[in-house]
Amino acid sequence: QVQLVQSGAEVKKPGASVRVSCKASGYSFATYDIHWVRQAPGESLEWLGKIHAGTSNTKFSPKFQGRLTFSRDTSATTAYMELSSLRSEDTAIYYCARTPGTLDGFDIWGQGTMVTVSS
Amino acid sequence: DIQMTQSPSTLSASVGDRVTITCRASQSISRRLAWYQQKPGKAPKLLIYDASTLESGVPSRFSGSGSGTEFTLTISSLQPDDFARYFCQHYNVYPWTFGQGTKVEIK
Repeated sequence: QVQLVQSGAEVKKPGASVRVSCKASGYSFATYDIHWVRQAPGESLEWLGKIHAGTSNTKFSPKFQGRLTFSRDTSATTAYMELSSLRSEDTAIYYCARTPGTLDGFDIWGQGTMVTVSS
Repeated sequence: DIQMTQSPSTLSASVGDRVTITCRASQSISRRLAWYQQKPGKAPKLLIYDASTLESGVPSRFSGSGSGTEFTLTISSLQPDDFARYFCQHYNVYPWTFGQGTKVEIK
């Protein structure tokens, strides 16, 4: 079935970087956008940006421009998000999610990856 | 950025009740709006996209309406499985943004 499976939980110190992976299966990986969304404990959802898995075209939320990198490996059908210069406010669950088209809701979500930033 | 404001923040209701959640955008987003349901410890689930199109597999008791800046999500007859948190989200222009969420709890 169509699914996105993310890498496991991470604990990082302030100032470090974290890389989260998102492996896609059950559909044509290169045809779709993969977005990244995060949710701090008890909070709402926050869109970080997206990468087109085929073209690698990216869009970023201005809030994270400069700290955020998206990449993908089409042979491994995997997308990656790397966030640098981590601070405590980056503690959150990070989700990858797919959109069927360029302007669409997120129809498939990964299970989430908890990233904890603590000294 | 476009601000999405949901009301109410919390809603207490009983099984069988008709429930309506409102989402307002700070500027027009046409009909580029989605609604999600999220249960504790789980990823959000898409319910409705393009303001009123029901995602495949979602029960018909869920419906959406609106355009421009005002949108509603309606659950026609609340079921035990529907007690959860609901979010609206626009995808009209980048950056995409979400509402703060509405928790539907048991009365």
